[in-house]
Amino acid sequence: ETGVTQTPRHLVMGMTNKKSLKCEQHLGHNAMYWYKQSAKKPLELMFVYNFKEQTENNSVPSRFSPECPNSSHLFLHLHTLQPEDSALYLCASSQALGDGNTIYFGEGSWLTVV
Amino acid sequence: DAKTTQPPSMDCAEGRAANLPCNHSTISGNEYVYWYRQIHSQGPQYIIHGLKNNETNEMASLIITEDRKSSTLILPHATLRDTAVYYCIVRYLFGGAQKLVFGQGTRLTINP
Repeated sequence: ETGVTQTPRHLVMGMTNKKSLKCEQHLGHNAMYWYKQSAKKPLELMFVYNFKEQTENNSVPSRFSPECPNSSHLFLHLHTLQPEDSALYLCASSQALGDGNTIYFGEGSWLTVV
Repeated sequence: DAKTTQPPSMDCAEGRAANLPCNHSTISGNEYVYWYRQIHSQGPQYIIHGLKNNETNEMASLIITEDRKSSTLILPHATLRDTAVYYCIVRYLFGGAQKLVFGQGTRLTINP
């Protein structure tokens, strides 16, 4: 238990569906992240939020839409995805500032697009 | 971004020390070295981090060379549950938040 909870753990959706992934952190952190891990590829940083403000969009297609209503919650809204978007989506959080602070990851949400 | 280089795979016998090397020759003076591991189908698990000095915690030890261009993660008594992909990462600050850029990591297999 890392203090970062992701739901659902598994999701199967059609290409025309709209779904959302949810992340909640109980660590009092100010920064939250979405990472994507495709099969046999390194983790790719997608989005960074610092104090609810998006600080980075790593050239992610607009069919992925993040939302950060507060420092404890992060969503990833999914719309008209492609089969190649099937992957493990990981949420993480950290203190925004300060040396040596650690990023903690959730267990991930396995997404399958059919 | 500082890049890291790790061997793609390693084997170690159960009960022995596992020593995982990492090269980060372009690291800057204020960048930390982090180690994570990922067991299949799970999120990455934090292991240890350091800046200049060697570090030890309940999971592992981290040895950083004096010039900071390389480091070694040591699992002192490896068990079968330590089989995982181990990532050596250099952290940097971007937009006020930390960024971790993952490479391919080292797939460590602990053999009985």
